[in-house]
Amino acid sequence: DAEITQSPRHKITETGRQVTLACHQTWNHNNMFWYRQDLGHGLRLIHYSYGVHDTNKGEVSDGYSVSRSNTEDLPLTLESAASSQTSVYFCASSGIQKAEAFFGQGTRLTVV
Amino acid sequence: GNSVTQMEGPVTLSEEAFLTINCTYTATGYPSLFWYVQYPGEGLQLLLKATKADDKGSNKGFEATYRKETTSFHLEKGSVQVSDSAVYFCALSGGSEKLVFGKGTKLTVNP
Repeated sequence: DAEITQSPRHKITETGRQVTLACHQTWNHNNMFWYRQDLGHGLRLIHYSYGVHDTNKGEVSDGYSVSRSNTEDLPLTLESAASSQTSVYFCASSGIQKAEAFFGQGTRLTVV
Repeated sequence: GNSVTQMEGPVTLSEEAFLTINCTYTATGYPSLFWYVQYPGEGLQLLLKATKADDKGSNKGFEATYRKETTSFHLEKGSVQVSDSAVYFCALSGGSEKLVFGKGTKLTVNP
C-alpha cells in the first residue's frame, strides 16, 4: 500500500544545531507540504512543493528550508534550531487539484 | 485569502449524545471541503469530504453538508462514542493545492 513516512518520530536537539526531518511518500504525488502543529495555533504551513525542483514558502517559513530533488522526498531543514521551533511537524502529500492530503505520523522535535 | 473558522473547544459530551462542530469558510471560487480527525499521538486522517455545493460527506456515522449559501461545513454525529474522542479539523482546498486548516476542536466523550 502507498504511504507517507516521517523520520525520526522523536528528536531532541540543541539550540543552534542544524536539523533535518525526512519525509518520504510512495503515492507518486506531485504536491508535498510541511506543517507544524502547536497548541492554540492548529496547523500552520511551513513550506510546500508542487513538483521536482519547485519549493514555496508558507506562512511560517522563517528558519526553515526544503529542497525537492525527486518526487518521493521533501526533507525539512532547520538551519539553526531555536527553542521556538519546538513543535510537532507533519508532512503531507496530495495528488490532483483540490484533492485531500495524506499525512505522515509526525515528528516531535524538542530544541533545548 | 482562503480561511477556515471552526468552533473553539474543548467539547465534552456523554456517550450517545449528539455532536455538532461548526465550521465556516472564506474562499474564492469553489473549494473542496474536508474534515480530518487526529487521535492522540497520531497524524491526521481524512474523515470525510465534499467537493461541490450541497454534497454531503459521510463516514463512520459522521456527516457534513457543503452549504455554499452559508459558507459552512458543520460536522455532525447522532450518537457519539468514547472512541470518537479526538481532535477534529475542518479544512479547505481552493484554486491552489494547499490545504487551509481551522485551529481544531478537541472532543472528549465520557462513558
